[in-house]
Amino acid sequence: EVQLVESGGGLVQPGGSLRLSCAASGFTFRSYWMAWLRQAPGKGPEWVANIKQEGDERNYLDSVKGRFTVSRDNAKNSLYLQLNSLRVEDTAVYYCATAGAWGGGRYYFDYWGQGALVTVSS
Amino acid sequence: DIQLTQSPSFLSASVGDRVTITCRASQGISSYLAWYQQKSGKAPNLLIYAASTLQSGVPSRFSGSGSGTEFTLTISSLQPEDFATYYCLHLNVYPLTFGGGTKVEIK
Repeated sequence: EVQLVESGGGLVQPGGSLRLSCAASGFTFRSYWMAWLRQAPGKGPEWVANIKQEGDERNYLDSVKGRFTVSRDNAKNSLYLQLNSLRVEDTAVYYCATAGAWGGGRYYFDYWGQGALVTVSS
Repeated sequence: DIQLTQSPSFLSASVGDRVTITCRASQGISSYLAWYQQKSGKAPNLLIYAASTLQSGVPSRFSGSGSGTEFTLTISSLQPEDFATYYCLHLNVYPLTFGGGTKVEIK
Protein backbone atom coordinates (compact mmCIF):
# COMPACT_ATOMS: atom_id res chain seq x y z
CA GLU A 1 0.00 0.00 0.00
CA VAL A 2 1.35 3.41 -0.98
CA GLN A 3 1.88 5.68 2.02
CA LEU A 4 3.09 9.26 2.10
CA VAL A 5 3.50 10.87 5.52
CA GLU A 6 4.39 14.54 5.83
CA SER A 7 5.98 16.05 8.91
CA GLY A 8 7.66 19.26 9.99
CA GLY A 9 4.76 21.69 9.78
CA GLY A 10 4.07 24.29 12.43
CA LEU A 11 3.78 27.95 13.34
CA VAL A 12 6.56 30.25 12.15
CA GLN A 13 7.00 34.02 12.04
CA PRO A 14 7.21 35.92 8.75
CA GLY A 15 10.75 35.69 7.42
CA GLY A 16 11.34 32.41 9.20
CA SER A 17 12.21 28.95 7.88
CA LEU A 18 10.82 25.45 8.08
CA ARG A 19 11.72 22.08 6.58
CA LEU A 20 8.99 19.67 5.56
CA SER A 21 9.66 15.97 5.13
CA CYS A 22 7.66 13.29 3.37
CA ALA A 23 8.32 9.65 4.20
CA ALA A 24 7.31 7.32 1.37
CA SER A 25 6.59 3.60 1.48
CA GLY A 26 4.80 0.91 -0.49
CA PHE A 27 6.33 1.73 -3.88
CA THR A 28 9.73 2.15 -5.55
CA PHE A 29 10.34 5.75 -4.53
CA ARG A 30 13.42 6.28 -6.73
CA SER A 31 11.40 5.49 -9.87
CA TYR A 32 8.94 8.38 -9.62
CA TRP A 33 8.77 12.11 -10.00
CA MET A 34 7.56 13.62 -6.74
CA ALA A 35 5.80 16.89 -6.01
CA TRP A 36 4.74 19.32 -3.32
CA LEU A 37 1.36 21.00 -3.53
CA ARG A 38 -0.38 23.25 -1.03
CA GLN A 39 -3.84 24.45 -0.16
CA ALA A 40 -4.49 27.69 1.70
CA PRO A 41 -7.48 27.74 4.08
CA GLY A 42 -10.72 27.86 2.09
CA LYS A 43 -8.90 27.89 -1.25
CA GLY A 44 -8.19 25.37 -4.01
CA PRO A 45 -5.00 23.35 -4.33
CA GLU A 46 -1.85 24.90 -5.81
CA TRP A 47 1.17 23.17 -7.29
CA VAL A 48 4.40 24.32 -5.61
CA ALA A 49 7.33 22.25 -6.91
CA ASN A 50 8.34 18.93 -8.35
CA ILE A 51 11.54 16.92 -8.70
CA LYS A 52 12.69 14.25 -11.12
CA GLN A 53 13.69 10.75 -10.06
CA GLU A 54 17.43 11.47 -9.60
CA GLY A 55 16.89 15.08 -8.52
CA ASP A 56 18.48 16.44 -11.70
CA GLU A 57 15.39 18.43 -12.69
CA ARG A 58 13.34 20.63 -10.38
CA ASN A 59 10.53 23.02 -11.18
CA TYR A 60 8.97 25.72 -8.99
CA LEU A 61 5.98 28.02 -8.82
CA ASP A 62 7.24 31.55 -9.54
CA SER A 63 6.13 32.91 -6.17
CA VAL A 64 8.35 30.42 -4.28
CA LYS A 65 11.42 30.46 -6.56
CA GLY A 66 14.50 31.45 -4.63
CA ARG A 67 12.75 30.83 -1.29
CA PHE A 68 11.76 27.15 -1.40
CA THR A 69 13.98 24.20 -2.31
CA VAL A 70 12.74 20.71 -3.11
CA SER A 71 15.09 17.77 -2.61
CA ARG A 72 14.96 14.02 -2.16
CA ASP A 73 16.99 11.19 -0.65
CA ASN A 74 16.26 8.00 -2.57
CA ALA A 75 18.23 5.91 -0.05
CA LYS A 76 15.85 7.08 2.68
CA ASN A 77 12.68 7.09 0.53
CA SER A 78 12.17 10.69 1.54
CA LEU A 79 11.15 13.96 -0.08
CA TYR A 80 11.88 17.36 1.43
CA LEU A 81 10.81 20.97 1.05
CA GLN A 82 12.95 23.69 2.61
CA LEU A 83 10.87 26.83 3.10
CA ASN A 84 12.83 30.06 3.69
CA SER A 85 11.79 33.72 3.89
CA LEU A 86 8.26 32.64 4.69
CA ARG A 87 5.36 35.01 4.08
CA VAL A 88 1.88 35.15 5.54
CA GLU A 89 0.53 34.08 2.13
CA ASP A 90 2.51 30.82 2.37
CA THR A 91 0.12 29.65 5.10
CA ALA A 92 -1.38 26.39 3.85
CA VAL A 93 -1.60 22.64 4.20
CA TYR A 94 1.37 21.25 2.26
CA TYR A 95 0.95 17.88 0.55
CA CYS A 96 3.53 15.63 -1.00
CA ALA A 97 2.38 13.57 -3.96
CA THR A 98 3.64 10.93 -6.33
CA ALA A 99 3.47 11.50 -10.06
CA GLY A 100 2.75 7.91 -10.92
CA ALA A 101 -0.19 7.86 -13.33
CA TRP A 102 1.27 7.98 -16.85
CA GLY A 103 -1.00 9.15 -19.60
CA GLY A 104 -0.33 10.55 -23.05
CA GLY A 105 3.07 11.98 -22.23
CA ARG A 106 2.60 13.23 -18.69
CA TYR A 107 2.79 11.84 -15.16
CA TYR A 108 -0.23 12.76 -13.06
CA PHE A 109 -0.36 13.08 -9.26
CA ASP A 110 -2.04 9.89 -8.10
CA TYR A 111 -1.16 9.45 -4.41
CA TRP A 112 -1.14 12.29 -1.89
CA GLY A 113 -0.17 12.40 1.77
CA GLN A 114 -2.45 13.64 4.54
CA GLY A 115 -0.77 17.05 4.57
CA ALA A 116 1.23 19.20 6.98
CA LEU A 117 -0.07 22.57 8.14
CA VAL A 118 2.29 25.52 7.87
CA THR A 119 1.09 28.71 9.55
CA VAL A 120 3.04 31.92 8.99
CA SER A 121 2.01 34.55 11.50
CA SER A 122 3.50 37.03 13.95
CA ASP B 1 0.24 31.19 -17.07
CA ILE B 2 -2.63 29.01 -18.25
CA GLN B 3 -5.92 29.79 -16.50
CA LEU B 4 -8.51 27.06 -15.97
CA THR B 5 -12.09 28.24 -15.54
CA GLN B 6 -14.56 25.77 -14.07
CA SER B 7 -18.30 26.06 -14.38
CA PRO B 8 -20.48 26.04 -12.52
CA SER B 9 -18.66 26.96 -9.31
CA PHE B 10 -21.53 25.49 -7.33
CA LEU B 11 -24.28 23.06 -8.18
CA SER B 12 -27.10 21.51 -6.25
CA ALA B 13 -28.23 18.07 -7.40
CA SER B 14 -30.14 15.00 -6.26
CA VAL B 15 -29.03 11.41 -5.89
CA GLY B 16 -29.39 9.74 -9.27
CA ASP B 17 -28.92 12.94 -11.29
CA ARG B 18 -26.52 13.19 -14.22
CA VAL B 19 -24.01 15.93 -13.49
CA THR B 20 -21.61 17.67 -15.88
CA ILE B 21 -18.79 20.01 -14.88
CA THR B 22 -16.85 22.02 -17.45
CA CYS B 23 -13.24 23.17 -17.37
CA ARG B 24 -12.05 25.70 -19.96
CA ALA B 25 -8.38 26.49 -20.53
CA SER B 26 -7.13 29.93 -21.54
CA GLN B 27 -5.04 28.26 -24.26
CA GLY B 28 -4.78 24.81 -25.75
CA ILE B 29 -3.48 22.12 -23.40
CA SER B 30 -3.87 19.08 -25.65
CA SER B 31 -5.23 16.33 -23.36
CA TYR B 32 -2.99 17.14 -20.39
CA LEU B 33 -5.80 17.45 -17.90
CA ALA B 34 -6.80 15.68 -14.70
CA TRP B 35 -9.88 15.76 -12.49
CA TYR B 36 -9.78 15.47 -8.71
CA GLN B 37 -12.43 15.02 -6.04
CA GLN B 38 -11.86 16.53 -2.63
CA LYS B 39 -13.86 15.98 0.53
CA SER B 40 -13.61 18.23 3.57
CA GLY B 41 -10.33 17.83 5.46
CA LYS B 42 -8.92 15.28 3.00
CA ALA B 43 -6.36 15.38 0.22
CA PRO B 44 -7.61 15.53 -3.37
CA ASN B 45 -8.30 12.15 -4.98
CA LEU B 46 -7.44 11.51 -8.64
CA LEU B 47 -10.48 10.54 -10.71
CA ILE B 48 -9.51 11.07 -14.35
CA TYR B 49 -6.18 11.77 -16.06
CA ALA B 50 -5.11 12.45 -19.62
CA ALA B 51 -8.59 14.00 -20.01
CA SER B 52 -10.45 10.70 -20.27
CA THR B 53 -8.57 7.86 -18.54
CA LEU B 54 -10.32 6.55 -15.44
CA GLN B 55 -7.96 6.09 -12.50
CA SER B 56 -7.84 2.58 -11.08
CA GLY B 57 -10.45 2.01 -8.40
CA VAL B 58 -12.65 4.95 -9.42
CA PRO B 59 -16.29 4.00 -10.16
CA SER B 60 -17.27 3.87 -13.81
CA ARG B 61 -20.04 6.46 -13.30
CA PHE B 62 -17.23 9.03 -13.58
CA SER B 63 -16.05 9.91 -17.07
CA GLY B 64 -14.02 12.65 -18.69
CA SER B 65 -13.83 14.04 -22.20
CA GLY B 66 -12.38 16.89 -24.20
CA SER B 67 -9.15 18.20 -25.62
CA GLY B 68 -7.61 21.53 -26.50
CA THR B 69 -9.42 24.13 -24.42
CA GLU B 70 -12.69 22.52 -23.32
CA PHE B 71 -13.10 19.55 -21.01
CA THR B 72 -15.95 17.93 -19.11
CA LEU B 73 -16.31 15.67 -16.11
CA THR B 74 -19.56 13.71 -16.04
CA ILE B 75 -21.07 11.75 -13.19
CA SER B 76 -23.71 9.56 -14.79
CA SER B 77 -25.76 8.89 -11.66
CA LEU B 78 -24.84 10.93 -8.60
CA GLN B 79 -24.35 8.91 -5.43
CA PRO B 80 -24.37 10.18 -1.81
CA GLU B 81 -20.59 9.76 -1.55
CA ASP B 82 -20.06 12.02 -4.60
CA PHE B 83 -21.01 15.21 -2.79
CA ALA B 84 -17.67 17.01 -2.71
CA THR B 85 -15.63 19.66 -4.49
CA TYR B 86 -14.13 18.86 -7.89
CA TYR B 87 -11.02 20.43 -9.41
CA CYS B 88 -9.38 20.24 -12.81
CA LEU B 89 -5.59 20.47 -13.16
CA HIS B 90 -3.54 20.97 -16.32
CA LEU B 91 -0.05 19.56 -16.88
CA ASN B 92 0.66 21.22 -20.23
CA VAL B 93 3.44 23.60 -19.19
CA TYR B 94 4.79 25.09 -15.97
CA PRO B 95 3.32 26.43 -13.82
CA LEU B 96 0.78 23.66 -13.37
CA THR B 97 -2.52 25.24 -12.36
CA PHE B 98 -5.85 24.12 -10.93
CA GLY B 99 -9.32 25.35 -11.76
CA GLY B 100 -11.29 27.24 -9.14
CA GLY B 101 -13.38 24.24 -8.14
CA THR B 102 -16.99 23.09 -8.38
CA LYS B 103 -18.80 22.30 -5.17
CA VAL B 104 -21.51 19.68 -5.58
CA GLU B 105 -24.13 19.76 -2.85
CA ILE B 106 -27.30 17.84 -2.09
CA LYS B 107 -30.53 19.39 -3.35
